[in-house]
Amino acid sequence: DIQLTQSPSSVSASVGDRVTITCRASQGIAGWVAWYQQKPGEAPKLLINRVSSLQNGVPSRFSGSGSGTDFTLTISGLQPEDFATYYCQEANSFPLLTFGGGTKVEIK
Amino acid sequence: QVQLQQSGPGLVKPSQTLSLTCAISGDSVSSSSVAWNWIRQSPSRGLEWLGMTQYSSKWYNNYAVSVKNRIIINPDTSKNQFSLQLNSVTPEDTAVYYCARGSWRAVDYWGQGTLVTVSS
Repeated sequence: DIQLTQSPSSVSASVGDRVTITCRASQGIAGWVAWYQQKPGEAPKLLINRVSSLQNGVPSRFSGSGSGTDFTLTISGLQPEDFATYYCQEANSFPLLTFGGGTKVEIK
Repeated sequence: QVQLQQSGPGLVKPSQTLSLTCAISGDSVSSSSVAWNWIRQSPSRGLEWLGMTQYSSKWYNNYAVSVKNRIIINPDTSKNQFSLQLNSVTPEDTAVYYCARGSWRAVDYWGQGTLVTVSS
């Protein structure tokens, strides 16, 4: 099975900062990579699918990129509502879905 | 707008069966373009996909290897819902359980989550 390693596991940032989260796969992924945002006590929310496709209603400050084994989620201009935990997910072996360990974005 | 409403007990005794139900509104459990999943989340295991059911001319189920011998996911077309049954639970099965809709190999709608504690 593919393993996903996210880095960093946590990051402290200020409003307005640019934050980049990396998701590294243990083997190459065809391009079925998604990113989720989760706030305490809530279910995860899908932000991006198929590496870079923004879901309807998700602000354009969120963007995704990558290929092969390395993928990134970038938040350009962090807003107060963006402080949360972010997860990557791959579906190379669909229907099996594999999630990364999460990256917590905290207020500096 | 798709909504998923979970129901079921929050406390299960070790060796017994965990049973949860997910009622769907705004979509059909028989829709061939989506899959209906169960996913759990715990501090020790993170987000863990457990399995799915999908209708595509017939019903298909797929389960995670880690629970394959003790899990059943069943669709109920008469009530437009699907269920999770996890047998022989241990404290390691304590987690928040989510039902979720899969589309384009990601999860676009989630239930509200149910904290299930396995304890005597």
